[in-house]
Amino acid sequence: EAQVTQNPRYLITVTGKKLTVTCSQNMNHEYMSWYRQDPGLGLRQIYYSMNVEVTDKGDVPEGYKVSRKEKRNFPLILESPSPNQTSLYFCASSLAGALPRELFFGEGSRLTVL
Amino acid sequence: DAKTTQPNSMESNEEEPVHLPCNHSTISGTDYIHWYRQLPSQGPEYVIHGLTSNVNNRMASLAIAEDRKSSTLILHRATLRDAAVYYCILRANYGGSQGNLIFGKGTKLSVKP
Repeated sequence: EAQVTQNPRYLITVTGKKLTVTCSQNMNHEYMSWYRQDPGLGLRQIYYSMNVEVTDKGDVPEGYKVSRKEKRNFPLILESPSPNQTSLYFCASSLAGALPRELFFGEGSRLTVL
Repeated sequence: DAKTTQPNSMESNEEEPVHLPCNHSTISGTDYIHWYRQLPSQGPEYVIHGLTSNVNNRMASLAIAEDRKSSTLILHRATLRDAAVYYCILRANYGGSQGNLIFGKGTKLSVKP
């Protein structure tokens, strides 16, 4: 089954404790991206990657890092989480290339930073 | 980056058609118009996309204005399961600009029985 898998789905952590949210897709997609969703602010893009070893900042990249060493994985790293990073996070993937393709989203990871 | 404008919320009655508008006055000639929806407690899911011509699929229809500065997602017969937040976004068709996507807040559609 084609899917985007995020882990963990729920996490409560404390300020300053490094954490990684993993994202994996099994569709051989070139494009992957991360979003955060907060009440009243909608979906905002954090980082995206057009292919392996190619990453770019989205609209709200501060406090986050990403890496794209393999095509299927695109982890989101919070080196020193702060309470303002408490949010619902979504990973998405799609084919890239000359024509835009539909995005496939994961089920989300709810992060609470105390 | 090109942005879209949608009403915050809309209401519909079950089994009636719903027209969800989206304005994108700064759209470029190579931007595709995509629609996604997010059901409660789920990730967004693809609905439909188009460039210039109107498009139909099993979920919905997309009507694109001749000047491409606006579009309308049409649900032909709303059901209770269509209650969701609907997002209209623009996606470039080449290179790195495909990557930066602006979703905004979308339109929250309520469907009354």
